Amino acid sequence: DAGITQSPRHKVTETGTPVTLRCHQTENHRYMYWYRQDPGHGLRLIHYSYGVKDTDKGEVSDGYSVSRSKTEDFLLTLESATSSQTSVYFCAISEGQQAFFGQGTRLTVV
Amino acid sequence: SQQGEEDPQALSIQEGENATMNCSYKTSINNLQWYRQNSGRGLVHLILIRSNEREKHSGRLRVTLDTSKKSSSLLITASRAADTASYFCATRKDSNYQLIWGAGTKLIIKP
Repeated sequence: DAGITQSPRHKVTETGTPVTLRCHQTENHRYMYWYRQDPGHGLRLIHYSYGVKDTDKGEVSDGYSVSRSKTEDFLLTLESATSSQTSVYFCAISEGQQAFFGQGTRLTVV
Repeated sequence: SQQGEEDPQALSIQEGENATMNCSYKTSINNLQWYRQNSGRGLVHLILIRSNEREKHSGRLRVTLDTSKKSSSLLITASRAADTASYFCATRKDSNYQLIWGAGTKLIIKP
Protein backbone atom coordinates (compact mmCIF):
# COMPACT_ATOMS: atom_id res chain seq x y z
CA ASP A 1 0.00 0.00 0.00
CA ALA A 2 1.06 3.55 -0.67
CA GLY A 3 1.95 5.52 2.45
CA ILE A 4 -1.53 6.69 3.37
CA THR A 5 -2.93 6.41 6.85
CA GLN A 6 -6.47 7.27 7.83
CA SER A 7 -7.49 7.78 11.42
CA PRO A 8 -9.58 6.75 13.11
CA ARG A 9 -10.53 3.56 11.26
CA HIS A 10 -13.86 3.30 13.01
CA LYS A 11 -15.91 5.90 14.86
CA VAL A 12 -19.36 6.10 16.36
CA THR A 13 -20.57 9.56 17.18
CA GLU A 14 -23.78 11.28 18.18
CA THR A 15 -25.90 13.51 15.99
CA GLY A 16 -24.90 17.14 16.27
CA THR A 17 -21.32 16.57 17.37
CA PRO A 18 -18.32 17.70 15.32
CA VAL A 19 -16.07 14.98 13.95
CA THR A 20 -12.64 15.23 12.35
CA LEU A 21 -11.09 12.54 10.20
CA ARG A 22 -7.42 12.62 9.40
CA CYS A 23 -5.52 11.54 6.32
CA HIS A 24 -1.75 11.39 6.50
CA GLN A 25 0.55 10.63 3.56
CA THR A 26 4.26 10.00 3.35
CA GLU A 27 4.42 10.18 -0.48
CA ASN A 28 4.65 13.99 -0.83
CA HIS A 29 1.84 13.88 -3.41
CA ARG A 30 0.31 17.20 -4.32
CA TYR A 31 -3.30 16.11 -4.67
CA MET A 32 -5.40 14.75 -1.84
CA TYR A 33 -9.07 13.79 -1.89
CA TRP A 34 -11.85 12.87 0.48
CA TYR A 35 -14.59 10.57 -0.78
CA ARG A 36 -17.55 8.92 0.78
CA GLN A 37 -18.75 5.51 -0.34
CA ASP A 38 -22.34 4.44 0.07
CA PRO A 39 -24.15 1.40 -1.38
CA GLY A 40 -25.36 2.08 -4.89
CA HIS A 41 -23.45 5.36 -5.23
CA GLY A 42 -19.88 4.34 -5.73
CA LEU A 43 -17.40 6.98 -4.65
CA ARG A 44 -18.54 10.58 -4.32
CA LEU A 45 -16.05 13.38 -3.97
CA ILE A 46 -16.47 15.57 -0.90
CA HIS A 47 -13.47 17.92 -1.12
CA TYR A 48 -10.05 17.85 -2.63
CA SER A 49 -6.80 19.70 -2.25
CA TYR A 50 -4.22 20.66 -4.86
CA GLY A 51 -1.67 22.05 -2.44
CA VAL A 52 -1.13 23.43 1.04
CA LYS A 53 -4.07 25.68 1.90
CA ASP A 54 -5.54 25.08 -1.58
CA THR A 55 -8.81 23.20 -1.46
CA ASP A 56 -11.98 22.95 -3.49
CA LYS A 57 -15.43 21.45 -3.17
CA GLY A 58 -16.59 18.21 -4.68
CA GLU A 59 -20.10 17.12 -5.52
CA VAL A 60 -21.24 16.38 -1.93
CA SER A 61 -19.49 19.05 0.13
CA ASP A 62 -22.46 20.33 2.16
CA GLY A 63 -21.90 19.74 5.87
CA TYR A 64 -18.18 19.10 5.44
CA SER A 65 -15.10 21.27 5.64
CA VAL A 66 -11.44 20.49 5.06
CA SER A 67 -8.06 21.88 5.91
CA ARG A 68 -4.57 21.25 4.65
CA SER A 69 -1.90 23.11 6.60
CA LYS A 70 0.87 20.67 5.65
CA THR A 71 1.52 18.65 2.51
CA GLU A 72 1.16 15.40 4.39
CA ASP A 73 -2.10 16.01 6.26
CA PHE A 74 -5.63 16.53 4.97
CA LEU A 75 -8.37 16.85 7.56
CA LEU A 76 -12.07 16.35 6.97
CA THR A 77 -14.46 17.87 9.49
CA LEU A 78 -18.14 17.17 9.84
CA GLU A 79 -19.27 20.36 11.46
CA SER A 80 -22.41 18.90 13.04
CA ALA A 81 -22.77 15.22 12.27
CA THR A 82 -26.08 13.93 10.92
CA SER A 83 -27.30 10.38 10.35
CA SER A 84 -27.05 10.92 6.58
CA GLN A 85 -23.30 11.24 7.04
CA THR A 86 -23.04 7.65 8.21
CA SER A 87 -20.74 6.22 5.58
CA VAL A 88 -17.32 4.88 4.77
CA TYR A 89 -14.87 7.68 4.09
CA PHE A 90 -11.82 7.22 1.90
CA CYS A 91 -8.83 9.46 1.49
CA ALA A 92 -6.88 9.28 -1.76
CA ILE A 93 -3.72 10.89 -3.06
CA SER A 94 -2.32 11.39 -6.52
CA GLU A 95 0.60 13.05 -8.23
CA GLY A 96 0.15 11.69 -11.73
CA GLN A 97 -2.82 10.02 -13.27
CA GLN A 98 -3.66 7.24 -10.85
CA ALA A 99 -4.96 7.53 -7.30
CA PHE A 100 -3.82 5.69 -4.21
CA PHE A 101 -6.31 5.03 -1.46
CA GLY A 102 -6.26 4.73 2.28
CA GLN A 103 -7.98 1.88 4.07
CA GLY A 104 -11.08 3.89 4.88
CA THR A 105 -12.86 5.17 7.98
CA ARG A 106 -16.23 3.70 8.90
CA LEU A 107 -18.26 6.46 10.55
CA THR A 108 -21.59 5.82 12.22
CA VAL A 109 -23.71 8.72 13.39
CA VAL A 110 -26.35 7.70 15.92
CA SER B 1 -23.36 13.10 -10.45
CA GLN B 2 -21.59 9.92 -11.43
CA GLN B 3 -20.04 10.02 -14.87
CA GLY B 4 -19.31 6.33 -15.13
CA GLU B 5 -21.86 3.58 -14.94
CA GLU B 6 -20.78 -0.01 -14.69
CA ASP B 7 -22.74 -2.90 -16.09
CA PRO B 8 -23.66 -5.36 -14.72
CA GLN B 9 -24.07 -4.31 -11.11
CA ALA B 10 -23.25 -7.86 -10.02
CA LEU B 11 -21.70 -10.85 -11.75
CA SER B 12 -21.24 -14.39 -10.47
CA ILE B 13 -19.19 -16.89 -12.47
CA GLN B 14 -17.32 -20.16 -12.01
CA GLU B 15 -13.61 -20.15 -11.36
CA GLY B 16 -11.72 -20.40 -14.62
CA GLU B 17 -14.33 -18.57 -16.68
CA ASN B 18 -13.82 -15.12 -18.12
CA ALA B 19 -15.49 -12.09 -16.57
CA THR B 20 -16.47 -9.02 -18.57
CA MET B 21 -17.56 -5.72 -17.05
CA ASN B 22 -18.60 -2.62 -18.90
CA CYS B 23 -18.40 1.07 -18.13
CA SER B 24 -20.17 3.93 -19.85
CA TYR B 25 -19.42 7.61 -19.39
CA LYS B 26 -20.93 10.88 -20.47
CA THR B 27 -18.32 13.48 -21.39
CA SER B 28 -14.98 13.62 -23.15
CA ILE B 29 -12.09 12.18 -21.21
CA ASN B 30 -8.33 12.19 -21.04
CA ASN B 31 -8.14 8.66 -19.70
CA LEU B 32 -10.20 5.92 -18.10
CA GLN B 33 -9.00 3.79 -15.22
CA TRP B 34 -10.14 0.58 -13.58
CA TYR B 35 -9.79 -0.12 -9.87
CA ARG B 36 -10.48 -3.11 -7.68
CA GLN B 37 -11.84 -3.01 -4.15
CA ASN B 38 -11.70 -6.02 -1.91
CA SER B 39 -14.29 -6.14 0.84
CA GLY B 40 -13.54 -3.63 3.59
CA ARG B 41 -10.45 -2.27 1.87
CA GLY B 42 -9.44 0.75 -0.14
CA LEU B 43 -9.39 0.78 -3.92
CA VAL B 44 -6.38 -0.43 -5.85
CA HIS B 45 -5.45 0.78 -9.32
CA LEU B 46 -5.49 -1.92 -11.99
CA ILE B 47 -5.01 -0.33 -15.38
CA LEU B 48 -5.24 2.99 -17.22
CA ILE B 49 -6.17 3.49 -20.86
CA ARG B 50 -5.74 6.84 -22.57
CA SER B 51 -8.31 8.37 -24.88
CA ASN B 52 -6.12 7.73 -27.93
CA GLU B 53 -5.75 4.03 -27.11
CA ARG B 54 -8.24 1.32 -28.05
CA GLU B 55 -6.96 -1.68 -26.15
CA LYS B 56 -4.55 -2.42 -23.36
CA HIS B 57 -3.39 -5.57 -21.62
CA SER B 58 -1.94 -6.26 -18.20
CA GLY B 59 -1.51 -9.88 -17.21
CA ARG B 60 -4.98 -11.45 -17.22
CA LEU B 61 -6.64 -8.07 -17.70
CA ARG B 62 -7.73 -6.67 -21.02
CA VAL B 63 -9.29 -3.24 -21.30
CA THR B 64 -10.92 -1.75 -24.37
CA LEU B 65 -12.04 1.82 -24.95
CA ASP B 66 -14.51 3.05 -27.54
CA THR B 67 -14.60 6.84 -27.35
CA SER B 68 -17.28 7.07 -30.04
CA LYS B 69 -19.62 5.08 -27.81
CA LYS B 70 -18.18 6.51 -24.60
CA SER B 71 -17.70 3.03 -23.21
CA SER B 72 -15.02 0.72 -21.89
CA SER B 73 -14.86 -2.93 -20.99
CA LEU B 74 -12.69 -4.85 -18.55
CA LEU B 75 -12.09 -8.52 -19.27
CA ILE B 76 -10.55 -10.78 -16.65
CA THR B 77 -9.49 -14.08 -18.17
CA ALA B 78 -9.23 -17.41 -16.35
CA SER B 79 -10.81 -16.01 -13.21
CA ARG B 80 -9.64 -17.04 -9.75
CA ALA B 81 -11.28 -16.93 -6.35
CA ALA B 82 -8.95 -14.05 -5.45
CA ASP B 83 -10.57 -11.95 -8.19
CA THR B 84 -13.72 -11.74 -6.07
CA ALA B 85 -14.08 -8.00 -5.48
CA SER B 86 -15.87 -4.90 -6.67
CA TYR B 87 -14.53 -3.24 -9.80
CA PHE B 88 -14.87 0.45 -10.52
CA CYS B 89 -14.18 2.54 -13.55
CA ALA B 90 -13.08 6.13 -13.19
CA THR B 91 -12.62 8.81 -15.80
CA ARG B 92 -10.37 11.82 -15.81
CA LYS B 93 -11.05 14.91 -17.87
CA ASP B 94 -8.41 17.09 -19.43
CA SER B 95 -8.76 20.16 -17.31
CA ASN B 96 -8.53 18.98 -13.75
CA TYR B 97 -7.33 16.22 -11.52
CA GLN B 98 -10.64 14.90 -10.36
CA LEU B 99 -11.62 11.31 -11.05
CA ILE B 100 -15.28 10.64 -11.72
CA TRP B 101 -16.44 7.25 -10.52
CA GLY B 102 -19.02 4.70 -11.44
CA ALA B 103 -21.04 2.71 -8.91
CA GLY B 104 -19.07 -0.48 -9.50
CA THR B 105 -19.58 -4.11 -10.49
CA LYS B 106 -19.51 -6.71 -7.75
CA LEU B 107 -17.77 -9.82 -9.06
CA ILE B 108 -18.08 -13.17 -7.29
CA ILE B 109 -15.96 -16.11 -8.40
CA LYS B 110 -17.41 -19.44 -7.34
CA PRO B 111 -14.93 -22.27 -6.67
